Amino acid sequence: AQSVTQPDIHITVSEGASLELRCNYSYGATPYLFWYVQSPGQGLQLLLKYFSGDTLVQGIKGFEAEFKRSQSSFNLRKPSVHWSDAAEYFCAVGARGGSYIPTFGRGTSLIVHP
Amino acid sequence: EPEVTQTPSHQVTQMGQEVILRCVPISNHLYFYWYRQILGQKVEFLVSFYNNEISEKSEIFDDQFSVERPDGSNFTLKIRSTKLEDSAMYFCASSEAAFNEKLFFGSGTQLSVL
Repeated sequence: AQSVTQPDIHITVSEGASLELRCNYSYGATPYLFWYVQSPGQGLQLLLKYFSGDTLVQGIKGFEAEFKRSQSSFNLRKPSVHWSDAAEYFCAVGARGGSYIPTFGRGTSLIVHP
Repeated sequence: EPEVTQTPSHQVTQMGQEVILRCVPISNHLYFYWYRQILGQKVEFLVSFYNNEISEKSEIFDDQFSVERPDGSNFTLKIRSTKLEDSAMYFCASSEAAFNEKLFFGSGTQLSVL
């Protein structure tokens, strides 16, 4: 079965600084990969997804993520963080050919200082 | 953008009581899901539902849990006899298609079992 590890429970950055949120997955083949964001009082919203092709994926709100097979990682990045990016970020992995149901990590809480 | 609606946003119940969590998926979606997140832990898959039956469920989804689509618009999760460890945020989600299609999530119901 697939699994996801988000090693950072909290990340604090200053507004305007760059951001990288880590995600490592465990799966025997190339997985489907997702990043979701949950703002306070909102549901989880899909930021971006990787199915195949270019390993650098662009998403909404200026986010991007890079699939690195050799490191089993799918880290989320943003060059300049805005205060409105403060939220909970979830990485998820889906299996090809088996259960398609995404498996989520526990989330990383992003705190943005002015 | 269309959204998934969950009610109530907070539910407090006594141990051993039955609770029903309600969700209204997006109207043209065919696949429905329940996830939960215990405080500080991963977002865990509970069950998926398609064509009026459960298509997949996790080991968490035991006989105490049931799902129903009673009227073609609502999608409910029932917990028959709540335990303290059922306290969690419960998320409903829906999607147009299966196989890693984008999931739309509701904002969740925070269930507190006392």
